[in-house]
Amino acid sequence: DVKVTQSSRYLVKRTGEKVFLECVQDMDHENMFWYRQDPGLGLRLIYFSYDVKMKEKGDIPEGYSVSREKKERFSLILESASTNQTSMYLCASSLSGWTSGDNEQFFGPGTRLTVL
Amino acid sequence: GENVEQHPSTLSVQEGDSAVIKCTYSDSASNYFPWYKQELGKRPQLIIDIRSNVGEKKDQRIAVTLNKTAKHFSLHITETQPEDSAVYFCAANTGGFKTIFGAGTRLFVKA
Repeated sequence: DVKVTQSSRYLVKRTGEKVFLECVQDMDHENMFWYRQDPGLGLRLIYFSYDVKMKEKGDIPEGYSVSREKKERFSLILESASTNQTSMYLCASSLSGWTSGDNEQFFGPGTRLTVL
Repeated sequence: GENVEQHPSTLSVQEGDSAVIKCTYSDSASNYFPWYKQELGKRPQLIIDIRSNVGEKKDQRIAVTLNKTAKHFSLHITETQPEDSAVYFCAANTGGFKTIFGAGTRLFVKA
């Protein structure tokens, strides 16, 4: 059973603070993803990584950066948090992207971030 | 890039009735179409998926249909039950790393 965990369920930060959200998966998955979920907008991809130290921008990367130093861990960084980054952040992992059979994404429980 | 539109945004049905959620996609290269269910306060989970080489797939009360010509795919839930109440997301993937999600449909099943 795939386990994807996130460092916090709820987080409250102040405008301008640097924020780290961490995600860990225990199934040796190649790919990891960060999404933000907002009502009416679905799941929007921020960044993804298909290998250690590799990262690719998603659809809304502005204001975010990521780090993948180890295969099992993918961190999302808000360099200077702003109120419009208040959202639910979901991490996900998948086995690989090379064949369509391995695309199922396994999600973490989410981190609800509030920026005041 | 790929764009996925999902309708309706909200759907309310009586227990025992059927529910249909429809999605359209823009990239003709998309070949994998998963559906995720997210119950209140929980993480999204895959409930069914379909690949471009088939037109329909069933799993008990859930079925998905795909029309590649029209770039439409739909989720059908029969004999709905209160535990089917959730947000459902359709998605499209071109076989690579990136999956594009629809905006979601909030399904209410009234007992």
